[in-house]
Parts: sequence; structure tokens; C-alpha cells
Amino acid sequence: SAVISQKPSRDICQRGTSLTIQCQVDSQVTMMFWYRQQPGQSLTLIATANQGSEATYESGFVIDKFPISRPNLTFSTLTVSNMSPEDSSIYLCSAISKGVQDKITPDTQYFGPGTRLTVL
Amino acid sequence: GENVEQHPSTLSVQEGDSAVIKCTYSDSASNYFPWYKQELGKRPQLIIDIRSNVGEKKDQRIAVTLNKTAKHFSLHITETQPEDSAVYFCAAHNAGNMLTFGGGTRLMVKP
Repeated sequence: SAVISQKPSRDICQRGTSLTIQCQVDSQVTMMFWYRQQPGQSLTLIATANQGSEATYESGFVIDKFPISRPNLTFSTLTVSNMSPEDSSIYLCSAISKGVQDKITPDTQYFGPGTRLTVL
Repeated sequence: GENVEQHPSTLSVQEGDSAVIKCTYSDSASNYFPWYKQELGKRPQLIIDIRSNVGEKKDQRIAVTLNKTAKHFSLHITETQPEDSAVYFCAAHNAGNMLTFGGGTRLMVKP
């Protein structure tokens, strides 16, 4: 399976500040995603991170609040901007590939360990 | 878009009993159905998956069945053990490479 790492693993932030979460995959992937998971809830897709172009956001999520970058095939960042306590959640990076040359089984989606964010 | 319903939301079984979790999906174009297990504080881990050209798949104590006509799929865990206790998520994956998750089932296996 693919190895996906995230930094930081957790953070406590003050309201009004911003936090950037980094996601690194150990092999080239075609698609990367960012999810949010509230305590005791399911996973909600925030956006698809597209390499070299603007991310594709799901309904209810906007670029100004959650800017995303993906400069290459193995790395992406999610920024949570102007944070409020309602942004307290776990943010998960995920990756999927249809490639046959890399380590990831085509169509299988893997998740990073998550970043636990608490906003005071 | 795709909508995935998962039942039950909580399930408590005695160790050694079987557990069944059911999901329905709405998009007939969905062609891949993974199941994830998430232990407390951990990432979701893929435990088994099934593609739309297969009706059943088994891996030791875990099996998944798919009924494309009825648009539902199920996870079966036999001989449950306390370490099976976790939250289980079903998901449906369509041609657009998007995974839609069910609401999750909290499974508790009592020793």
C-alpha cells in the first residue's frame, strides 16, 4: 500500500489565524484529495487537489477558506484560513492512482494519518 | 450525485458471533465498493473491496457481497473478535474517481 504522511499531526490554534497542512505520498499518484472528519462522523470531501491547476471544491467549501496547492504528483497542502472554533476537526489527505508502474493498486484510495486541529 | 446509506449506525455483538453491515447506493454507474475500518484516533484502513463485475469476495473472516440490481452491498464479519471493534465505512466509487462514504457503523464486540 502507499505511504501517506501528513504534517502536523495535531495543532491548537487561535481563532483568526491560518494553518497549512502538508501531505506527502511516497509514489506518484494521479489524484489527491482532502477530507474533513468531525468527531464521530463520516468523511466529507473538501476538494480534489489538481496538479498545476486550481483545486476542485465540493459544495460548501470555497477556495478563500481552504486554499489548496499541488505543485507535483506527490505533494499537496491544505490551508485552513481565518480559523474559527467550527473548523476544529480532523483533516485527512488521501490519494488514488490508476498507474500500473507504481506501488498503489489502481483505483484503491489510501488515507494519511490525519491532522487533528483544535481552534480556540 | 451519489448517495450512500449505511445501516446500522451502531452494532453490538458477542465475541464469536457474526456481524453484518449493509449499504445502499444511488448511482448505477458506481463500479467499485471499498470498505474501510477506522480505529479510534487512526486513519481509515482499506479492509476489503469489490468491483461491479463480481458478486462476492472473501478474505479470511471478512466477506463482501454486491447486488447491482438492487444497488446494495454488505460486509460480513464472522467469528468476531474484540480487535474487530472499530468504525466501519462503506463507500461507492464512480467513473469520476470520486468516493462517496456511508455514515459509518460503530461495531462493538463484547468479550
